[in-house]
Amino acid sequence: GDSVTQMEGPVTLSEEAFLTINCTYTATGYPSLFWYVQYPGEGLQLLLKATKADDKGSNKGFEATYRKETTSFHLEKGSVQVSDSAVYFCALSPIAAGNKLTFGGGTRVLVKP
Amino acid sequence: DADVTQTPRNRITKTGKRIMLECSQTKGHDRMYWYRQDPGLGLRLIYYSFDVKDINKGEISDGYSVSRQAQAKFSLSLESAIPNQTALYFCATSDSSGRADTQYFGPGTRLTVL
Repeated sequence: GDSVTQMEGPVTLSEEAFLTINCTYTATGYPSLFWYVQYPGEGLQLLLKATKADDKGSNKGFEATYRKETTSFHLEKGSVQVSDSAVYFCALSPIAAGNKLTFGGGTRVLVKP
Repeated sequence: DADVTQTPRNRITKTGKRIMLECSQTKGHDRMYWYRQDPGLGLRLIYYSFDVKDINKGEISDGYSVSRQAQAKFSLSLESAIPNQTALYFCATSDSSGRADTQYFGPGTRLTVL
C-alpha cells in the first residue's frame, strides 16, 4: 500500500539556520504530495503542495520539489525563525482515491533564538 | 470564528464508556474526515464522508462509528472506549473530488481513556 516516510525528530536548530526535512514515499503512479504544519496546540494547516513531477511548491519561505525519480519531496527553508517551531507532516494523495491523505509520522522542529 | 470546530476539546473517560466527538464546519464543504494522531505515527484516517449519504471506512475504523447529520456536521463515536483509543482526534473538511484539494483541520480533541 501507499506509505510516507519522513525523518524522525526532534530537529533542533538555531535561528537563521538552514532546515531540511526528508520525505520519501511509496505509491503507484503519480500521487499529489503535500506538506502540512502543526503549530503547538493547533490543528494541521497546509504549507505547500505539488501535483506532478518536477513541480515545486513554495510558501512562507519553505520549498519542496516533487522528485519522481527518487520518490522524494524534501522540505527546505533557508533561514528559520523561532516561529517556525512546529511539527511538519509529509503526506500524499493517491491518483484514484479522491482526496484521501496518507501521512508520514511527522517531524518536530524546534528553533532556538 | 473558526471554520472547523470540534467539541469537546479535551475529554477524560473510563474504559467501556460510549463517547461522541462532534465536528462542525462553516466552509460549505461536502467532504469530511476523521483522523487520529498518535506520536510517531502521524495521522491515520478513521472514517470519511463525501456527502451526507456517503460514509466510508478508513484505515483504522474498528471500534469507531460515525454519523453525518448534515452537510456541516460529522460525529465520531467510540461505542465502548478502550485505553488504546487514547489519542488526539482531528476532523477535517475539503471542497471537491480533486486529489490535490486542501484539507482544513479543526483544532483537535484530546481523548484520554482510563
